[in-house]
Amino acid sequence: GQNIDQPTEMTATEGAIVQINCTYQTSGFNGLFWYQQHAGEAPTFLSYNVLDGLEEKGRFSSFLSRSKGYSYLLLKELQMKDSASYLCAVLDSNYQLIWGAGTKLIIKP
Amino acid sequence: GAVVSQHPSWVICKSGTSVKIECRSLDFQATTMFWYRQFPKQSLMLMATSNEGSKATYEQGVEKDKFLINHASLTLSTLTVTSAHPEDSSFYICSARVDRGYNEQFFGPGTRLTVL
Repeated sequence: GQNIDQPTEMTATEGAIVQINCTYQTSGFNGLFWYQQHAGEAPTFLSYNVLDGLEEKGRFSSFLSRSKGYSYLLLKELQMKDSASYLCAVLDSNYQLIWGAGTKLIIKP
Repeated sequence: GAVVSQHPSWVICKSGTSVKIECRSLDFQATTMFWYRQFPKQSLMLMATSNEGSKATYEQGVEKDKFLINHASLTLSTLTVTSAHPEDSSFYICSARVDRGYNEQFFGPGTRLTVL
């Protein structure tokens, strides 16, 4: 079956760095997405990786290793507004998005 | 670009009534749209894939007669919750897939349905 694992909840301090991991087992792979979702709102796109390596975009970076079925989202200089759920999703061979359960990130002052 | 709207944002209805939710891609055409449901503190659950000009593909466990999906044009898909019951109360989110590049999905703002 298809499976995406990410931690349920993480806590970090304002101004610090946090890494949210995601491991996946899917039928085929056409890319991995990270989305941010604030409570009561729809997800918003953060990043897309299809090749191995690190993609940096401002305070957020995303890494992919296809051979290991592994990705992480790195958030630097954390701000209170970064408190949200972060969803990892993989595009499988049928171009269907397979969603992880999401990681709730709590930022403390 | 790539904006998706959803209407209504929230709706409260009595048990037994039907509710229609619209999903529109405002500045692009989408042959494929998706409908998700999300219960509090849970992740997105894909309900169905809506394909323009053909029948929707429902995920296992989703009643197609209860959740009617119509993808009438390249910019509009509708979800009708028929004979709604309190257990149907949830956050319904649509997304539209851009058929170019890396097939990113753009999400609508969601519709909060409360059935009394």
